[in-house]
Amino acid sequence: AQSVTQLGSHVSVSEGALVLLRCNYSSSVPPYLFWYVQYPNQGLQLLLKYTSAATLVKGINGFEAEFKKSETSFHLTKPSAHMSDAAEYFCAVSGLMEGSQGNLIFGKGTKLSVKP
Amino acid sequence: KAGVTQTPRYLIKTRGQQVTLSCSPISGHRSVSWYQQTPGQGLQFLFEYFSETQRNKGNFPGRFSGRQFSNSRSEMNVSTLELGDSALYLCASRQRDLNTGELFFGEGSRLTVL
Repeated sequence: AQSVTQLGSHVSVSEGALVLLRCNYSSSVPPYLFWYVQYPNQGLQLLLKYTSAATLVKGINGFEAEFKKSETSFHLTKPSAHMSDAAEYFCAVSGLMEGSQGNLIFGKGTKLSVKP
Repeated sequence: KAGVTQTPRYLIKTRGQQVTLSCSPISGHRSVSWYQQTPGQGLQFLFEYFSETQRNKGNFPGRFSGRQFSNSRSEMNVSTLELGDSALYLCASRQRDLNTGELFFGEGSRLTVL
């Protein structure tokens, strides 16, 4: 079965510092990988997705992620954190196995705090 | 273009009651998925509908059910509510019938069971 592990349920950075949110996946087939962001009392918004094209994926709001097959990782980074980046971030893998089309398997999420 | 719309946004029920949540997908999207979000379990997949047919189902008891109408609008129903059903229920729609298609989420319906 596919799974996603996000290391660190809470991450705190200073404004202007590097943001690094970790995601490792488990999949026996080439995965499709996603990062979503959730602001308080809102739904999820797609930041970026990997679908077997370029391994370095650029998303919205200055975020990017690199797919590393050898490490089964898809970490999310942003060079300089902004106060508005404070939110919860979810990594997800598509359920492309055993006929399970359509559903995403999410990690537990990482809450990002940005200190002024 | 309007986003995914979920109603109601907030509701309070008591144990044993039932609840129906509604989701209107983005115009032109034929796939609708439902997820349950709780602090303990995170985001868990409930089911997905495509062209009025349930295509995939998560590991939830039969008290959780759903349906999709010909206009792609979807409803989910939870019967005999339990305290543990308190959660944010998120609906998401997808344009294409592919796993690479981006899921667009609504703002959710927050259910509190007392």
